[in-house]
Amino acid sequence: GAVVSQHPSWVICKSGTSVKIECRSLDFQATTMFWYRQFPKQSLMLMATSNEGSKATYEQGVEKDKFLINHASLTLSTLTVTSAHPEDSSFYICSASRGTLNSPLHFGNGTRLTVT
Amino acid sequence: AQTVTQSQPEMSVQEAETVTLSCTYDTSENNYYLFWYKQPPSRQMILVIRQEAYKQQNATENRFSVNFQKAAKSFSLKISDSQLGDTAMYFCAFMKHRGGGADGLTFGKGTHLIIQP
Repeated sequence: GAVVSQHPSWVICKSGTSVKIECRSLDFQATTMFWYRQFPKQSLMLMATSNEGSKATYEQGVEKDKFLINHASLTLSTLTVTSAHPEDSSFYICSASRGTLNSPLHFGNGTRLTVT
Repeated sequence: AQTVTQSQPEMSVQEAETVTLSCTYDTSENNYYLFWYKQPPSRQMILVIRQEAYKQQNATENRFSVNFQKAAKSFSLKISDSQLGDTAMYFCAFMKHRGGGADGLTFGKGTHLIIQP
Protein backbone atom coordinates (compact mmCIF):
# COMPACT_ATOMS: atom_id res chain seq x y z
CA GLY A 1 0.00 0.00 0.00
CA ALA A 2 0.91 3.64 -0.23
CA VAL A 3 3.47 4.80 2.26
CA VAL A 4 4.36 8.17 3.64
CA SER A 5 7.74 8.46 5.28
CA GLN A 6 8.40 11.14 7.85
CA HIS A 7 11.88 12.00 9.06
CA PRO A 8 13.19 12.30 11.68
CA SER A 9 11.06 10.25 14.06
CA TRP A 10 12.27 12.32 16.95
CA VAL A 11 14.55 15.28 17.41
CA ILE A 12 15.87 17.27 20.33
CA CYS A 13 17.11 20.76 19.68
CA LYS A 14 18.17 23.78 21.66
CA SER A 15 16.04 26.83 22.01
CA GLY A 16 16.68 29.31 19.22
CA THR A 17 17.72 26.78 16.61
CA SER A 18 15.69 25.65 13.59
CA VAL A 19 14.55 22.14 12.83
CA LYS A 20 13.45 20.69 9.51
CA ILE A 21 11.01 17.80 9.25
CA GLU A 22 10.57 15.93 5.97
CA CYS A 23 7.47 14.20 4.66
CA ARG A 24 7.88 11.96 1.62
CA SER A 25 5.36 10.00 -0.35
CA LEU A 26 7.26 6.88 -1.36
CA ASP A 27 5.14 5.33 -4.06
CA PHE A 28 2.73 7.97 -5.26
CA GLN A 29 2.70 11.60 -6.26
CA ALA A 30 1.23 13.74 -3.55
CA THR A 31 -0.22 16.92 -4.96
CA THR A 32 -1.39 17.93 -1.50
CA MET A 33 0.20 17.41 1.87
CA PHE A 34 -1.10 18.40 5.27
CA TRP A 35 0.75 19.18 8.48
CA TYR A 36 -0.79 18.53 11.88
CA ARG A 37 0.34 19.14 15.42
CA GLN A 38 -0.60 16.94 18.36
CA PHE A 39 0.02 17.87 21.97
CA PRO A 40 0.28 15.08 24.55
CA LYS A 41 -3.03 13.32 25.12
CA GLN A 42 -4.77 15.72 22.75
CA SER A 43 -6.15 15.68 19.28
CA LEU A 44 -4.53 16.54 15.99
CA MET A 45 -4.80 20.14 14.87
CA LEU A 46 -4.37 21.06 11.23
CA MET A 47 -1.57 23.56 10.85
CA ALA A 48 -1.33 24.03 7.12
CA THR A 49 -2.04 22.64 3.69
CA SER A 50 0.71 22.54 1.13
CA ASN A 51 0.21 22.11 -2.58
CA GLU A 52 3.10 21.27 -4.83
CA GLY A 53 4.58 24.33 -6.44
CA SER A 54 2.54 26.89 -4.55
CA LYS A 55 2.55 28.61 -1.19
CA ALA A 56 1.14 26.79 1.77
CA THR A 57 -2.20 27.74 3.26
CA TYR A 58 -1.98 28.18 7.01
CA GLU A 59 -4.80 27.72 9.50
CA GLN A 60 -5.82 30.62 11.66
CA GLY A 61 -3.45 31.15 14.53
CA VAL A 62 -0.50 29.35 12.94
CA GLU A 63 2.48 31.63 12.37
CA LYS A 64 3.68 31.14 8.82
CA ASP A 65 7.06 32.72 9.58
CA LYS A 66 7.51 30.32 12.47
CA PHE A 67 6.47 27.19 10.63
CA LEU A 68 7.90 27.33 7.13
CA ILE A 69 6.45 24.83 4.71
CA ASN A 70 7.93 23.96 1.36
CA HIS A 71 6.40 21.54 -1.13
CA ALA A 72 8.96 21.66 -3.90
CA SER A 73 8.18 18.33 -5.52
CA LEU A 74 5.32 15.91 -5.81
CA THR A 75 6.93 13.58 -3.30
CA LEU A 76 8.39 15.89 -0.68
CA SER A 77 7.08 18.50 1.70
CA THR A 78 9.16 19.98 4.51
CA LEU A 79 8.19 21.76 7.71
CA THR A 80 10.84 23.96 9.28
CA VAL A 81 10.30 25.15 12.82
CA THR A 82 12.32 28.34 13.00
CA SER A 83 13.84 29.74 16.18
CA ALA A 84 12.31 26.94 18.16
CA HIS A 85 11.18 27.46 21.73
CA PRO A 86 10.13 24.96 24.39
CA GLU A 87 6.46 25.67 23.65
CA ASP A 88 7.03 24.34 20.13
CA SER A 89 7.71 20.92 21.62
CA SER A 90 5.04 18.66 20.21
CA PHE A 91 4.28 15.75 17.92
CA TYR A 92 4.09 16.76 14.26
CA ILE A 93 2.36 14.53 11.73
CA CYS A 94 2.05 14.89 7.99
CA SER A 95 -0.44 13.34 5.64
CA ALA A 96 -0.44 13.13 1.88
CA SER A 97 -3.04 12.81 -0.81
CA ARG A 98 -2.87 12.00 -4.48
CA GLY A 99 -5.20 14.92 -4.94
CA THR A 100 -8.40 13.33 -6.11
CA LEU A 101 -11.33 13.51 -3.76
CA ASN A 102 -11.75 9.79 -3.35
CA SER A 103 -8.08 9.01 -2.88
CA PRO A 104 -7.23 8.07 0.69
CA LEU A 105 -5.13 10.14 3.01
CA HIS A 106 -1.89 8.53 4.10
CA PHE A 107 -0.23 9.57 7.33
CA GLY A 108 3.43 9.63 8.21
CA ASN A 109 4.65 8.13 11.47
CA GLY A 110 5.09 11.53 13.04
CA THR A 111 8.01 13.47 14.51
CA ARG A 112 8.40 14.11 18.20
CA LEU A 113 10.12 17.48 18.67
CA THR A 114 11.59 18.43 22.02
CA VAL A 115 13.05 21.88 22.42
CA THR A 116 15.30 22.34 25.44
CA ALA B 1 -15.97 26.18 10.47
CA GLN B 2 -16.58 22.59 11.39
CA THR B 3 -16.51 21.11 14.87
CA VAL B 4 -16.29 17.47 15.88
CA THR B 5 -17.27 16.34 19.37
CA GLN B 6 -16.41 13.08 21.04
CA SER B 7 -18.05 13.03 24.43
CA GLN B 8 -16.39 9.89 25.78
CA PRO B 9 -12.79 10.55 26.85
CA GLU B 10 -12.29 6.91 27.82
CA MET B 11 -14.11 3.62 27.53
CA SER B 12 -13.27 0.17 28.78
CA VAL B 13 -14.88 -3.12 27.74
CA GLN B 14 -14.13 -6.80 28.03
CA GLU B 15 -12.62 -8.69 25.14
CA ALA B 16 -15.23 -10.03 22.68
CA GLU B 17 -17.82 -7.45 23.74
CA THR B 18 -19.33 -4.89 21.43
CA VAL B 19 -18.58 -1.23 22.02
CA THR B 20 -19.93 1.94 20.45
CA LEU B 21 -17.99 5.18 20.29
CA SER B 22 -19.99 8.33 19.77
CA CYS B 23 -19.24 11.31 17.58
CA THR B 24 -21.27 14.35 16.67
CA TYR B 25 -20.30 17.14 14.36
CA ASP B 26 -21.48 20.51 13.28
CA THR B 27 -21.20 21.90 9.78
CA SER B 28 -23.04 23.97 7.26
CA GLU B 29 -21.61 21.89 4.42
CA ASN B 30 -23.81 19.45 2.56
CA ASN B 31 -21.08 17.39 0.94
CA TYR B 32 -18.39 15.98 3.19
CA TYR B 33 -16.63 12.87 4.43
CA LEU B 34 -16.43 11.40 7.89
CA PHE B 35 -13.71 9.14 9.21
CA TRP B 36 -12.73 7.11 12.20
CA TYR B 37 -9.00 6.82 12.81
CA LYS B 38 -7.22 4.61 15.28
CA GLN B 39 -4.01 5.77 16.95
CA PRO B 40 -2.22 3.05 18.91
CA PRO B 41 0.69 3.84 21.27
CA SER B 42 2.99 3.94 18.23
CA ARG B 43 1.03 7.08 17.27
CA GLN B 44 0.63 5.93 13.68
CA MET B 45 -2.74 7.09 12.36
CA ILE B 46 -4.67 4.14 10.96
CA LEU B 47 -7.86 4.59 8.97
CA VAL B 48 -10.63 2.45 10.41
CA ILE B 49 -13.58 3.44 8.30
CA ARG B 50 -14.81 6.20 6.03
CA GLN B 51 -18.28 7.47 5.14
CA GLU B 52 -19.35 9.75 2.32
CA ALA B 53 -22.14 12.03 3.45
CA TYR B 54 -24.10 11.57 0.24
CA LYS B 55 -24.34 7.83 0.85
CA GLN B 56 -27.24 6.77 3.03
CA GLN B 57 -25.88 3.28 3.54
CA ASN B 58 -23.72 2.92 6.62
CA ALA B 59 -20.13 1.92 5.93
CA THR B 60 -18.82 -1.36 7.28
CA GLU B 61 -15.33 -2.85 7.43
CA ASN B 62 -15.26 -6.32 8.94
CA ARG B 63 -15.87 -5.87 12.70
CA PHE B 64 -16.24 -2.11 12.36
CA SER B 65 -19.42 -0.37 11.32
CA VAL B 66 -20.86 3.09 11.63
CA ASN B 67 -24.27 4.52 12.36
CA PHE B 68 -24.43 7.66 10.26
CA GLN B 69 -27.35 9.94 10.97
CA LYS B 70 -26.93 12.94 8.69
CA ALA B 71 -29.87 14.93 9.98
CA ALA B 72 -28.74 14.50 13.55
CA LYS B 73 -25.10 15.03 12.55
CA SER B 74 -24.11 11.90 14.35
CA PHE B 75 -21.47 9.37 13.33
CA SER B 76 -20.91 6.57 15.85
CA LEU B 77 -18.50 3.67 15.48
CA LYS B 78 -19.44 0.15 16.53
CA ILE B 79 -16.73 -2.40 17.15
CA SER B 80 -17.98 -5.96 17.34
CA ASP B 81 -16.14 -8.85 18.94
CA SER B 82 -13.56 -6.46 20.37
CA GLN B 83 -9.98 -7.66 20.50
CA LEU B 84 -7.01 -6.68 22.64
CA GLY B 85 -5.41 -5.12 19.58
CA ASP B 86 -8.28 -2.67 19.36
CA THR B 87 -6.92 -0.85 22.40
CA ALA B 88 -6.01 2.62 21.13
CA MET B 89 -7.14 6.22 20.82
CA TYR B 90 -9.96 6.60 18.35
CA PHE B 91 -10.51 9.88 16.57
CA CYS B 92 -13.56 10.92 14.63
CA ALA B 93 -12.71 13.29 11.78
CA PHE B 94 -14.50 15.48 9.27
CA MET B 95 -13.38 16.54 5.81
CA LYS B 96 -15.38 18.90 3.67
CA HIS B 97 -15.81 18.22 0.02
CA ARG B 98 -13.38 20.32 -1.94
CA GLY B 99 -13.66 20.37 -5.70
CA GLY B 100 -9.92 20.19 -6.23
CA GLY B 101 -9.31 17.15 -4.07
CA ALA B 102 -8.69 16.25 -0.46
CA ASP B 103 -8.96 18.85 2.28
CA GLY B 104 -7.54 18.96 5.77
CA LEU B 105 -9.24 16.99 8.52
CA THR B 106 -10.97 18.36 11.59
CA PHE B 107 -10.55 15.90 14.44
CA GLY B 108 -12.50 15.29 17.60
CA LYS B 109 -10.65 15.10 20.91
CA GLY B 110 -10.57 11.34 20.81
CA THR B 111 -11.76 8.40 22.88
CA HIS B 112 -9.28 6.18 24.62
CA LEU B 113 -10.61 2.65 24.19
CA ILE B 114 -9.27 -0.04 26.46
CA ILE B 115 -10.05 -3.69 25.79
CA GLN B 116 -9.70 -5.75 28.95
CA PRO B 117 -8.66 -9.43 28.72
